[in-house]
Amino acid sequence: DIQVTQSPSSLSASVGDRVTISCRTSQGLSEWLAWYQQKPGEAPKLLISAASRLQSGVPSRFSGSGSDIDFTLTINDLQPDDIATYYCQVTSRSPHTFGQGTKLEI
Amino acid sequence: EVQLVESGGGLVKPGGSLRLSCAASGFAFNGYSMHWVRQAPGKGLEWVSAIGSRSRSISYAASVKGRFTISRDNAGNTLYLQMNNLAVDDWAVYFCARALLGGAELDVWGKGTSVIVSS
Repeated sequence: DIQVTQSPSSLSASVGDRVTISCRTSQGLSEWLAWYQQKPGEAPKLLISAASRLQSGVPSRFSGSGSDIDFTLTINDLQPDDIATYYCQVTSRSPHTFGQGTKLEI
Repeated sequence: EVQLVESGGGLVKPGGSLRLSCAASGFAFNGYSMHWVRQAPGKGLEWVSAIGSRSRSISYAASVKGRFTISRDNAGNTLYLQMNNLAVDDWAVYFCARALLGGAELDVWGKGTSVIVSS
């Protein structure tokens, strides 16, 4: 099975900051990685598929990059509405493991 | 409106069984792979199981393999998760989710149903 290491586990930033979250996998994924945002008490929301493909309706301040084993989620111009926990997920093959999550506080 | 609604959660004793349902509406259910994902209290997301659009492809997390069974009724637009021999570690909110066509990215989620395993 592919192991996923997501970092940091928590992050404190200010409005307007640029934030980066990392996922590293134990095997190469090409671009088969997704990013999700989960707010307290809500279901997760798909932000990015295929490592860098922004989903419809997601603000352009979110972006994804990387391939193979190293991936990054970047949030530019951080907004109060971005307070959430962010997860990466392996989408290449089963098991579709999630990262441990990054709790973002402002 | 595209929607997924889970039901069937509740309180069960260790060793017990429960069957979760996920009613889909607003899209062609029989064309999409479907997944179950769970989240223990205060913990992160854990992928549980997936089933292809025609039930030909099924996979499970190691933690549930042999105890949980995923299935679907395309005529009734419903996804199921039969959970047997439940353990305290299975205590979680269970979400059903739709996968993007041809992939495993989960673009539509239900609100979840809570499963409490306690004596």
